[in-house]
Amino acid sequence: DAKTTQPNSMESNEEEPVHLPCNHSTISGTDYIHWYRQLPSQGPEYVIHGLTSNVNNRMASLAIAEDRKSSTLILHRATLRDAAVYYCILRDFNQGGKLIFGQGTELSVKP
Amino acid sequence: DVKVTQSSRYLVKRTGEKVFLECVQDMDHENMFWYRQDPGLGLRLIYFSYDVKMKEKGDIPEGYSVSREKKERFSLILESASTNQTSMYLCASSFRGALGTDTQYFGPGTRLTVL
Repeated sequence: DAKTTQPNSMESNEEEPVHLPCNHSTISGTDYIHWYRQLPSQGPEYVIHGLTSNVNNRMASLAIAEDRKSSTLILHRATLRDAAVYYCILRDFNQGGKLIFGQGTELSVKP
Repeated sequence: DVKVTQSSRYLVKRTGEKVFLECVQDMDHENMFWYRQDPGLGLRLIYFSYDVKMKEKGDIPEGYSVSREKKERFSLILESASTNQTSMYLCASSFRGALGTDTQYFGPGTRLTVL
């Protein structure tokens, strides 16, 4: 699985948008980009995934660069409940199975 | 909503004891996984199963075994607990759907302390 690079931590103010970056310069054509998050004292939860086009769901938006070497998870209005560690993960569409979690970005949200 | 439950949130055991961690999912998922999470090391896969009675080793299977007798239940067994197995254990499940896009649903975790 290709490697991803994320900042260790980011801060945001409540009700402001948050852009969480992820670099994946060695991504292959068969890799999906997944995002999970882990709230304090909980198991990880799925946020969103995409392949080439930008994606939106009720939790967030995923913006994927045209060359696919980077992506950005966008939380449109951060709330205190969004404080979590956010993981960017690549998954080959020829394979199922395990998720490989990196260190992720710890997002703190200030009131 | 998918629900993945784990038998205990907190568990304290002594070195050498046999430990059973149970995981149950209620969405008829084929795939089930056991991870452990440690500070600075992230989540690491211990074992996974694609079907009843099937199991595959993950990245760190040493010291662990698993059992999947029923589709909804996946057990992690520490045959002889050691202090280096003190960790947060997370169970997950997913459909055997389109590869690469299957979503994993995680339980709340069991924090195991081995004294």
